[in-house]
Amino acid sequence: EDQVTQSPEALRLQEGESSSLNCSYTVSGLRGLFWYRQDPGKGPEFLFTLYSAGEEKEKERLKATLTKKESFLHITAPKPEDSATYLCAGQGGSEKLVFGKGTKLTVNP
Amino acid sequence: DVKVTQSSRYLVKRTGEKVFLECVQDMDHENMFWYRQDPGLGLRLIYFSYDVKMKEKGDIPEGYSVSREKKERFSLILESASTNQTSMYLCASSTTSGSAYNEQFFGPGTRLTVL
Repeated sequence: EDQVTQSPEALRLQEGESSSLNCSYTVSGLRGLFWYRQDPGKGPEFLFTLYSAGEEKEKERLKATLTKKESFLHITAPKPEDSATYLCAGQGGSEKLVFGKGTKLTVNP
Repeated sequence: DVKVTQSSRYLVKRTGEKVFLECVQDMDHENMFWYRQDPGLGLRLIYFSYDVKMKEKGDIPEGYSVSREKKERFSLILESASTNQTSMYLCASSTTSGSAYNEQFFGPGTRLTVL
């Protein structure tokens, strides 16, 4: 059975304190690894898609990387507005995505 | 700009009522999805549709049905609402995986409370 596991469940950082979120996956025939950001009470907002091991993508203070077993979302010098829940999802042999339970990030000023 | 809209942000219903949640996308996407999201359980797929009038069960279809009469519209139906269906409901759409870009785009969500 395909599975996506995110760690940690929650992370508190001080403003400017860089860190990484982890997404481990066992998805048969991975065709894409997706990262989303979700603010409280809202729908997830698409951030990145990674298709193959070694691929990296960046957007402002966020950088996503992919290996054959896991993906990382690196946050450089975070700001309070980066506080959100970050979701990771894998796509295997169908149109469906398998989601992790998310990492809740809090950045204190 | 891509857009997925849901008919209500907040909804309060009584046990036993029939409930309709509607979702519309303007991106001409083939695939549409209904999820529910609960604390500690994450996003769980209820149903999805890969074409008009086509549907496939997700992980938790019990107590739900769906309808897709037009490509842009996907409805979730709670035949007889129960308190354990109180949740955040999220609709999403995507193009087919044959495309280079296959990410799902989400609507704002409907917070349903069943009393």
